[in-house]
Amino acid sequence: GAGVSQSPRYKVAKRGQDVALRCDPISGHVSLFWYQQALGQGPEFLTYFQNEAQLDKSGLPSDRFFAERPEGSVSTLKIQRTQQEDSAVYLCASKTSGRAAVTDTQYFGPGTRLTVL
Amino acid sequence: AQTVTQSQPEMSVQEAETVTLSCTYDTSESDYYLFWYKQPPSRQMILVIRQEAYKQQNATENRFSVNFQKAAKSFSLKISDSQLGDAAMYFCAYRSGEYGNKLVFGAGTILRVKS
Repeated sequence: GAGVSQSPRYKVAKRGQDVALRCDPISGHVSLFWYQQALGQGPEFLTYFQNEAQLDKSGLPSDRFFAERPEGSVSTLKIQRTQQEDSAVYLCASKTSGRAAVTDTQYFGPGTRLTVL
Repeated sequence: AQTVTQSQPEMSVQEAETVTLSCTYDTSESDYYLFWYKQPPSRQMILVIRQEAYKQQNATENRFSVNFQKAAKSFSLKISDSQLGDAAMYFCAYRSGEYGNKLVFGAGTILRVKS
């Protein structure tokens, strides 16, 4: 099947606008992750879902960031009142369950590059 | 909290030669996993190789192998017979074994391959 897909690939927002970034995980993958990657840096964890439950949101930088996965499949990362420091690539990853190598691998999408002007 | 350090911002290698990318990490846990991911300009993060901390044997995947030194908390990636397609940003990442779900990434190393 298809890999992880994300949309839009590019988003330009004016400061103060709200944005919504979508992630379609690999079918059947129960775990879904969001990461934020600033220019020239490694990705940093934002939040994690297992099915529809958000089990870890410790990486969300402020209460302007909100993520949901209501039916345990597609996820949306919403950023309210965007600021220039929110400019980054937002990566989504998914994985299935289990500790074996093949099931433990996080598969990443191509990311959404957000630019806040 | 765990940290991952990649001290080489950029490396170059001649096509067909061998290159080693360095990674060190800091943790107090005994059960964890280490990964190397490749990120080409397309931004798609691709898993290169995975190592379980409890395994003493170094992982290998075709031209890619690791040198895992648990006591030194070192996890370097060796690429043999380098190819033009290996040019990318390489990230070292850590995942806790017991509580682990999220990946903790290093800052990355840009690998350039010269023809």
